[in-house]
Amino acid sequence: DAKTTQPTSMDCAEGRAANLPCNHSTISGNEYVYWYRQIHSQGPQYIIHGLKNNETNEMASLIITEDRKSSTLILPHATLRDTAVYYCIVRDYGQNFVFGPGTRLSVLP
Amino acid sequence: GAGVSQTPSNKVTEKGKYVELRCDPISGHTALYWYRQSLGQGPEFLIYFQGTGAADDSGLPNDRFFAVRPEGSVSTLKIQRTERGDSAVYLCASSFLPTATTDGYTFGSGTRLTVV
Repeated sequence: DAKTTQPTSMDCAEGRAANLPCNHSTISGNEYVYWYRQIHSQGPQYIIHGLKNNETNEMASLIITEDRKSSTLILPHATLRDTAVYYCIVRDYGQNFVFGPGTRLSVLP
Repeated sequence: GAGVSQTPSNKVTEKGKYVELRCDPISGHTALYWYRQSLGQGPEFLIYFQGTGAADDSGLPNDRFFAVRPEGSVSTLKIQRTERGDSAVYLCASSFLPTATTDGYTFGSGTRLTVV
């Protein structure tokens, strides 16, 4: 079973920041937080991951709370092409990825 | 190729028939994974290969499902006596190191299997 809880769906206006929350209250010390997204008719695409420090790459930023029980994925300037299902996954070394139902993000014009 | 390639992209078969789904991983990737995704749900793990051997097949739903990777590269997922409940998108992914905490997996676009 997935170890994370995410809202079922969210809307965001085009050009605004999209903030996608994820709860992982049972996360253990060795588990990383990963984010993937899946655009319609495609396979999941890696976005970003982190352990305890905030992370940023060309796609997004990941903010992890100090107690590591929750995190937020930030898309700074959402575009229509960011409409997708976003998956938050916690994973330990050597484990397979376990996907939950994710958050369906709709970016609106 | 540059990505994970899955063929065919779509497959329609009759109930009771046998099907094979193919996955070409990224060159050099030692780990290969099969997932299944039903409509409206996240991908569900089926099996993981490290090289030629199945390191974890705990996700295979029953003995009608079988997968091979004879030369440590291309993998084939085989489904016998297909049932309508097998209809789903079958996703393949590969990674350079199975336990890496770097970029995770690279997924293909999947094979949409429809059993009629």
